Amino acid sequence: QTVVTQEPSLTVSPGGTVTLTCASSTGAVTSGYYPNWFQQKPGQAPRSLIYSTSNKQSWTPARFSGSLLGDKAALTLSGVQPEDEAEYYCLLYYGGARVFGGGTKLTVL
Amino acid sequence: EVQLLESGGGLVQPGGSLRLSCAASGFTFNGFAMSWVRQAPGKGLEWVSVIYSGGSSTYYTDSVKGRFTISRDNSKNTLYLQMNSLRVEDTAVYYCVKTMGVIDFDYWGQGTLVTVSS
Repeated sequence: QTVVTQEPSLTVSPGGTVTLTCASSTGAVTSGYYPNWFQQKPGQAPRSLIYSTSNKQSWTPARFSGSLLGDKAALTLSGVQPEDEAEYYCLLYYGGARVFGGGTKLTVL
Repeated sequence: EVQLLESGGGLVQPGGSLRLSCAASGFTFNGFAMSWVRQAPGKGLEWVSVIYSGGSSTYYTDSVKGRFTISRDNSKNTLYLQMNSLRVEDTAVYYCVKTMGVIDFDYWGQGTLVTVSS
């Protein structure tokens, strides 16, 4: 059973910078896992932010960026806005199957 | 404009069956893989299944293998999920998701709620 692990919760001040990470129980996350990142606000469908590690969707604000950090995938928010308060999920590709992380609840306070 | 409209959700008893549909528009449906993702009440996202553009390749999460079948009708621009032997733990909002080719996700539908309860 493959497990993808994210921080359960993080808190950041408005205007600050925060990094969310995504780890795989199978070992280091590489570009071959095609990390995707999604944002979900209460009562809404998820929205795609980042694909293939670091590529932004056309609607993704510039303050969001994706990368590999050590042996994990990472989502960094620079200059956090109040509207960035949401749940964030990563998704990894395992050669057919896909697995979501458990999500990170980001609080902007 | 890409649109994904799920339908077919509802209340079903344990052991019952349900077929979900996802009507797609605004893109060349037969050129992209499509996935189903679900979210149990108050829980996180769970990938369920994917079908590649031609329909010949499919993958499932372990918990639904042998019970769920994903399919597509490219002539109708519609994605399906046949769910049999439903369990209480299958209760969730089911989302239809478009990929950007085969792997990366981009557009999501608004979801349809499936409730499995006696």
